[in-house]
Amino acid sequence: SQTIHQWPATLVQPVGSPLSLECTVEGTSNPNLYWYRQAAGRGLQLLFYSVGIGQISSEVPQNLSASRPQDRQFILSSKKLLLSDSGFYLCAWSVKVAGGEQYFGPGTRLTVT
Amino acid sequence: AQSVTQLGSHVSVSEGALVLLRCNYSSSVPPYLFWYVQYPNQGLQLLLKYTSAATLVKGINGFEAEFKKSETSFHLTKPSAHMSDAAEYFCAVSDRGSNYKLTFGKGTLLTVNP
Repeated sequence: SQTIHQWPATLVQPVGSPLSLECTVEGTSNPNLYWYRQAAGRGLQLLFYSVGIGQISSEVPQNLSASRPQDRQFILSSKKLLLSDSGFYLCAWSVKVAGGEQYFGPGTRLTVT
Repeated sequence: AQSVTQLGSHVSVSEGALVLLRCNYSSSVPPYLFWYVQYPNQGLQLLLKYTSAATLVKGINGFEAEFKKSETSFHLTKPSAHMSDAAEYFCAVSDRGSNYKLTFGKGTLLTVNP
């Protein structure tokens, strides 16, 4: 069966510090991968998605970047965090079929102080 | 672009009562439709999805949803609420001929009163 991992589970970082969040998927190959941010009362915002190694599409101009160095690894980064980067970050994966559901990881709670 | 509207950011029901969470989509072509549930500080879990095989879709935990093209709706129901159903529920839509992206509604927080 497939599983998706995210770490760390929680993170408290000062403004201006760098960020690296990691997501890995097991039990499948060549998945689509997604990063979402969830802010209180604002639903889910798609940040990035990837259909393959090194292929990243950005949905929202921002202070963040994403990379996919391996088939089942997706990394969210920032060089300098802003207060507005606080939120709950979710990684998800799906198979490459139209209408395919997305499966979500447990999330990372980021607080920028 | 696709959009999803969830009517009611907060719904409160009594234990044993009917649960009805509303979702409307905007599309001239019926899309793929999904309902997800999120418990506090956890990721989203798929409840059910509609892909056109049947208009009434049954999901996990006793939930079901009915696709109504004429109303562009995909409302989620459960005949009898349980305390464990208290969570946030998200409706999502994906275009046919999709680039695999989902568009989510803003969510509905369901509280269940004893």
